[in-house]
Amino acid sequence: GAGVSQSPSNKVTEKGKDVELRCDPISGHTALYWYRQSLGQGLEFLIYFQGNSAPDKSGLPSDRFSAERTGGSVSTLTIQRTQQEDSAVYLCASSYRAGGENGYTFGSGTRLTVV
Amino acid sequence: DQQVKQNSPSLSVQEGRISILNCDYTNSMFDYFLWYKKYPAEGPTFLISISSIKDKNEDGRFTVFLNKSAKHLSLHIVPSQPGDSAVYFCAASLTGTASKLTFGTGTRLQVTL
Repeated sequence: GAGVSQSPSNKVTEKGKDVELRCDPISGHTALYWYRQSLGQGLEFLIYFQGNSAPDKSGLPSDRFSAERTGGSVSTLTIQRTQQEDSAVYLCASSYRAGGENGYTFGSGTRLTVV
Repeated sequence: DQQVKQNSPSLSVQEGRISILNCDYTNSMFDYFLWYKKYPAEGPTFLISISSIKDKNEDGRFTVFLNKSAKHLSLHIVPSQPGDSAVYFCAASLTGTASKLTFGTGTRLQVTL
């Protein structure tokens, strides 16, 4: 597609349930990132994929969070046993390669609300 | 520990005037800085960047200034237009970290008629 596509755009879930968030990056982009923005906070790095290399998971806040990138394209961020503090906008971004002067392209995000 | 800070949560400027958005950072190892603009219900979009080897970068109405000794950067928008009304995020990165960005909390700019 022309841009980074994320689904769903909004998700309300009950505390304790698992959720899956999907990201479809721009075709040909080898680097894929997940960030989240909690209320009143800046964007917080979660995880980064580059080609077939092992992902950089250094930003994942707990072992309830995991992510996969299948076939070097679509990525899924999974949050198990959701907690209210997981409520945030989850943003995916992709870039042609890691690094570079032009940052990367973000999707519109998934707004997750845990009730 | 907020390594990138935008201390002004909001700013209001008249159309045609200059908008100045400020950003401070604490990690002196940061060597690349970017500004993103975000409209409601959309993802942030890249606006302009600057490497630490420069002190100024200009792109049309947008200019970013970097003061390494003060660990401060600013974004100037001249002249400001109503379409510039958005939230602006400052971000920083370290060489070798694959563009993993550290973001500030954002400044909401309102350009009034």
